[in-house]
Amino acid sequence: GENVEQHPSTLSVQEGDSAVIKCTYSDSASNYFPWYKQELGKRPQLIIDIRSNVGEKKDQRIAVTLNKTAKHFSLHITETQPEDSAVYFCAAPYGSARQLTFGSGTQLTVLP
Amino acid sequence: NAGVTQTPKFRVLKTGQSMTLLCAQDMNHEYMYWYRQDPGMGLRLIHYSVGEGTTAKGEVPDGYNVSRLKKQNFLLGLESAAPSQTSVYFCASSYSWGLDEQFFGPGTRLTVL
Repeated sequence: GENVEQHPSTLSVQEGDSAVIKCTYSDSASNYFPWYKQELGKRPQLIIDIRSNVGEKKDQRIAVTLNKTAKHFSLHITETQPEDSAVYFCAAPYGSARQLTFGSGTQLTVLP
Repeated sequence: NAGVTQTPKFRVLKTGQSMTLLCAQDMNHEYMYWYRQDPGMGLRLIHYSVGEGTTAKGEVPDGYNVSRLKKQNFLLGLESAAPSQTSVYFCASSYSWGLDEQFFGPGTRLTVL
């Protein structure tokens, strides 16, 4: 949806390098920011999320940072591996019903 | 637990035909959702339900209807399929609204000729 813009749409990195995907949102009341990973032909699965009362959250090689002032949040993957190759989606609540709106996705390819 | 399941996995329809997609979850979730996924457009919400017997429109509801007669099931209907409805359809469910993980089904790939 237009509430959430995601960049880049495609990203290629060498194995072992870091990858960063950024999303911006328009609704200042948004307070929950999840990231989903979708492998080819599979269902989306939550990999990490952050709530608006924290600025950063880490889980092993994955981290998410949130800048509420600038209304953007980013996914950071360090020491990338071939199995990290997938489409990644960000999302944020939007509208009077606070339904999740997803970004358009980033195709990450980790080159061996 | 099976989690979220969807039937069928694949379907080919002719323009004007109707069909129903079935979603079932065994996690006792109150909230259920139907999304469509098209290349380069992410996941777009079609309809959702906040509990048994309730449904509401999402971002792209036109041409679809839904029903939630039982808590564990959420049905998506296409009364008169159009080529623009060719897509991959995902059902999802969650325990709470807005601040909780959504669990997705495996998807249904629908082609309308």
